[in-house]
Amino acid sequence: NAGVTQTPKFQVLKTGQSMTLQCAQDMNHNSMYWYRQDPGMGLRLIYYSASEGTTDKGEVPNGYNVSRLNKREFSLRLESAAPSQTSVYFCASSEATGTGGVITGELFFGEGSRLTVL
Amino acid sequence: EDQVTQSPEALRLQEGESSSLNCSYTVSGLRGLFWYRQDPGKGPEFLFTLYSAGEEKEKERLKATLTKKESFLHITAPKPEDSATYLCAARGGADGLTFGKGTHLIIQP
Repeated sequence: NAGVTQTPKFQVLKTGQSMTLQCAQDMNHNSMYWYRQDPGMGLRLIYYSASEGTTDKGEVPNGYNVSRLNKREFSLRLESAAPSQTSVYFCASSEATGTGGVITGELFFGEGSRLTVL
Repeated sequence: EDQVTQSPEALRLQEGESSSLNCSYTVSGLRGLFWYRQDPGKGPEFLFTLYSAGEEKEKERLKATLTKKESFLHITAPKPEDSATYLCAARGGADGLTFGKGTHLIIQP
């Protein structure tokens, strides 16, 4: 059981470069999420997709874009990377998201993508 | 604004020494309190969900409890393999899911 798979696991970028983080889940979940985790801070939601074909902003969306490619896949794109985007990024999925983005059940996380922007 | 505060930030215990981790929350209309375990270099792994004050959940050496303002994760006779960072998250209404910063737990043999 793969669960939630993220690629790449590690990436180093220069300021201004672009890149896409990929995420796929095999649990047939409707909802998918992108979080970032920084030292001394809790997990913060960047974007989420309550269901295939929909995406919404979370707490810290600036500088990011997302695409829900199909039910399994949800990608996160950095168009022009900045040092402030150095972080560990986690993709997660859940069975459903309720009204207003309220997560209705437990989240299943990937192993993370560690991004450094120089 | 919803807030979740975990304490202590770090805790070092001897193997077999029981203790509790605290999660204080300020959430309008709590719809769920979640506990996760996170190992170094890994993503968080779901442990428990609590929905109402007085509710308790158990799994091996862990027991989670919930009051109207706090949740506790009790660890009984811990083993070194219980070492991890434990995250608490509260689900409210409009603000969605709010995570605490975590408690880094080390169990020494």
